[in-house]
Amino acid sequence: GNSVTQMEGPVTLSEEAFLTINCTYTATGYPSLFWYVQYPGEGLQLLLKATKADDKGSNKGFEATYRKETTSFHLEKGSVQVSDSAVYFCALIETQFYFGTGTSLTVIP
Amino acid sequence: NAGVTQTPKFQVLKTGQSMTLQCAQDMNHEYMSWYRQDPGMGLRLIHYSVGAGITDQGEVPNGYNVSRSTTEDFPLRLLSAAPSQTSVYFCASSWGTGGALTEAFFGQGTRLTVV
Repeated sequence: GNSVTQMEGPVTLSEEAFLTINCTYTATGYPSLFWYVQYPGEGLQLLLKATKADDKGSNKGFEATYRKETTSFHLEKGSVQVSDSAVYFCALIETQFYFGTGTSLTVIP
Repeated sequence: NAGVTQTPKFQVLKTGQSMTLQCAQDMNHEYMSWYRQDPGMGLRLIHYSVGAGITDQGEVPNGYNVSRSTTEDFPLRLLSAAPSQTSVYFCASSWGTGGALTEAFFGQGTRLTVV
């Protein structure tokens, strides 16, 4: 079946540190992959997406590359800010959406 | 453009009470879905709909009913609330059906407490 596994949190980083949140997936076909972000008290917002192998999604300094050979879609950012503190969800779409459990990120000044 | 609107934002119920969580979208999306979010569990799919008149069960459907009489609305009904249904509920919509789904648009969530 389909599933998404992302690294456990919480993650705490200092401002300007490098961020990686690992995400791997299992899928029966060729899904689209997504990263969503959830700020406190809000719903999920799309951060970036990739629809086929080797595509790179990017937005607000975040990026992730669709790696079919390793079934991965790791989220990276070169220099995090306090405003990046949120919960990040990796997801895939085939006939329906499948979400990871979420990774909480706290960035301290 | 309102997107996906959920009401209410907060609700406290007593065990055994019933209520309906409302969800409406103004993007003419065919696909709509309900999730519950619990600590350490991520988002779990309760029910979904691929168009008006069509609904199906997700991962955790027990204790919940849905209907889809119009493209815009997808209410979630709790017939007899239980403490285990204390959670944050999200409604989402998307273009397309089946394998052609695009990104999901989420509502702001309903925080439900059952005492």
